[in-house]
Amino acid sequence: QQQVKQSPQSLIVQKGGISIINCAYENTAFDYFPWYQQFPGKGPALLIAIRPDVSEKKEGRFTISFNKSAKQFSLHIMDSQPGDSATYFCAASISNYKLSFGAGTTVTVRA
Amino acid sequence: NAGVMQNPRHLVRRRGQEARLRCSPMKGHSHVYWYRQLPEEGLKFMVYLQKENIIDESGMPKERFSAEFPKEGPSILRIQQVVRGDSAAYFCASSPSTGGYEQYFGPGTRLTVT
Repeated sequence: QQQVKQSPQSLIVQKGGISIINCAYENTAFDYFPWYQQFPGKGPALLIAIRPDVSEKKEGRFTISFNKSAKQFSLHIMDSQPGDSATYFCAASISNYKLSFGAGTTVTVRA
Repeated sequence: NAGVMQNPRHLVRRRGQEARLRCSPMKGHSHVYWYRQLPEEGLKFMVYLQKENIIDESGMPKERFSAEFPKEGPSILRIQQVVRGDSAAYFCASSPSTGGYEQYFGPGTRLTVT
């Protein structure tokens, strides 16, 4: 039973465009929601994270939007660049505890 | 400040052999997590350890798999009598001892069972 559902499975965006990845969760005890970026053959790298007491967090071109009532959160990548081509995973955890990951979204940015 | 270190990076074992994967957490981190990633899939939690203690091993297969994090030295994930289905990437993550929920991942060990 997957606790975090992620969509789409893959997306293609033109350079300069916006990439949007969505995640939904069921467990209302989750209180930490990170996003990871993974390149082929590498480990996941922490990109940005949010706690449920805020609705939005922005770091550079990356923004997390969080909707607590809908139990959904999303990652927006603004001004997408070819170097952003990677697999992105959303995740959720209860405090400093095991992460439940989404299945991943492969983003391809076309030059 | 070195990140999470894992070795070996690649490991090939024949069916029935043992695999030992090592993980050294970031400096100052005493929480270690192991995750497994099958091809084209997300990461699945296996076990959460603190120094000398297993906190949660709910994601570990009941047989052949074990983990430890001794007082001195790296954390070890041990797989006995490997089978082809154990072929995967195994990632270790660490988090700070106090405060901070962030988990930082190592580069992974890619295990191939022939």
